[in-house]
Amino acid sequence: EVQLVESGGGLVQPGGSLRVSCTASGFTLSSHWMHWVRQAPGKGLVWVSRINTGGSSTSYADSVKGRFTVSRDNAQNTLYLQLNSLRDEDTAVYYCARAQGDGAAIYDVWGQGALVTVSS
Amino acid sequence: DIQVTQSPSSLSASVGDRVTISCRTSQPINNYIHWYQQIPGKAPKLLVSSASTLQSGVPGRFAGSGFGTQFTLTITGLQPEDFATYYCQQSYLPPPIFGPGTKVEI
Repeated sequence: EVQLVESGGGLVQPGGSLRVSCTASGFTLSSHWMHWVRQAPGKGLVWVSRINTGGSSTSYADSVKGRFTVSRDNAQNTLYLQLNSLRDEDTAVYYCARAQGDGAAIYDVWGQGALVTVSS
Repeated sequence: DIQVTQSPSSLSASVGDRVTISCRTSQPINNYIHWYQQIPGKAPKLLVSSASTLQSGVPGRFAGSGFGTQFTLTITGLQPEDFATYYCQQSYLPPPIFGPGTKVEI
């Protein structure tokens, strides 16, 4: 079965750090660009970041640029999102999402989501 | 960035109804629009890609159409499992932008 399983969410204080992981199974992670999308409580979907197949090219939403870092370990079939200098407004469910085969930002497989809560 | 709007923001419907959700972009994007369904507490699910391509396993009562700046998702014969929030998303230019969503409720 093709799936993405996330881990690493939790409660963190403002200014703190957290790393969310996304492990792929049922397909070869290295064949796909991968994205992170977040959803604040009761709100809509917002794109956060993306990384190309080899990890050499990344892109970020302006709201997280300089604070978040996306990376991948294709040998371990795992995608990461490092969240630093966290703010209250970063509280959200973070989803990893697989881009369809040609790299287009069409998300055909999603993780179950990891809740990150930023609060003192 | 390209702006994406949806209407209505919510609608009430009954089982068996025909439902239409509209999505509009701030500039022409050819057919680079995709539709997702999200049930509360669950991850989004891709229903339609590239305006009108139904994904494998998605029931035929879902249909997408449109080109340029105006797009539509139609559900013909609403089923109980279709009560959810629907999002459109553009991929014509980065960053990918989602519409604000349309909640379909009873």
